[in-house]
Amino acid sequence: QLQLQESGPGLMKPSETLSLTCTVSGGSISSGRYYWGWIRQPPGKGLEWIGSILYSGNAYYNPSLESRVTISVDTSKNQFSLKQSSVTAADTAVYYCARRALMGRHFEYWGQGTLVTVSS
Amino acid sequence: QSALTQPASVSGSPGQSITISCTGTSSDIGDYNYVSWYQQHPGKAPKLMIYDVSNRPSGVSNRFSGSKSGNTASLAISGLQAEDEAEYHCCSYTTISTYVFGTGTKVTVL
Repeated sequence: QLQLQESGPGLMKPSETLSLTCTVSGGSISSGRYYWGWIRQPPGKGLEWIGSILYSGNAYYNPSLESRVTISVDTSKNQFSLKQSSVTAADTAVYYCARRALMGRHFEYWGQGTLVTVSS
Repeated sequence: QSALTQPASVSGSPGQSITISCTGTSSDIGDYNYVSWYQQHPGKAPKLMIYDVSNRPSGVSNRFSGSKSGNTASLAISGLQAEDEAEYHCCSYTTISTYVFGTGTKVTVL
């Protein structure tokens, strides 16, 4: 059974760089048949797609966040990561990692999510 | 890209049927049959309920069905049950190879 688990700082200060990691178990991130992505949800609001990456490192991003976001993959650890620079209170959200099939356009598996709060 | 528009809330009595709409544009819903729907209970991760407009993943009840007309997609829930009370989110692939989600709909079982 595939499982995704996010890990991150929890609490951050404005202007810092957010770093989150998603650890994948029950499946290989190197299979090449899936995209691995990040989606966030501010408290009480809807979901927002951040970006996705293939095991090869080919990534694409939400244009509204692209200037501040980098997604990378570490196949040796079966993990992929999100870095988001210059965070503000508006970046406070639950961050989810998720998987979609290469030929699919939907998110089949989700992690449980991790809350990141940006506050001075 | 603006969020897809959903009603803030929809309610129904047990056993009834309800429909949730999701309105986008010709650059997302209107251009592809790549609409998906997710159910989210409080404090939990979203769960895929419908993909490619009207397909159900294995294990999802056939009480859930999806459709699309023009720039608007819809999720129907028949035989409403207490366990269906949750937030529902639509999502569409877009013409610039990105994904846009809806504003979310709270379903209440009366």
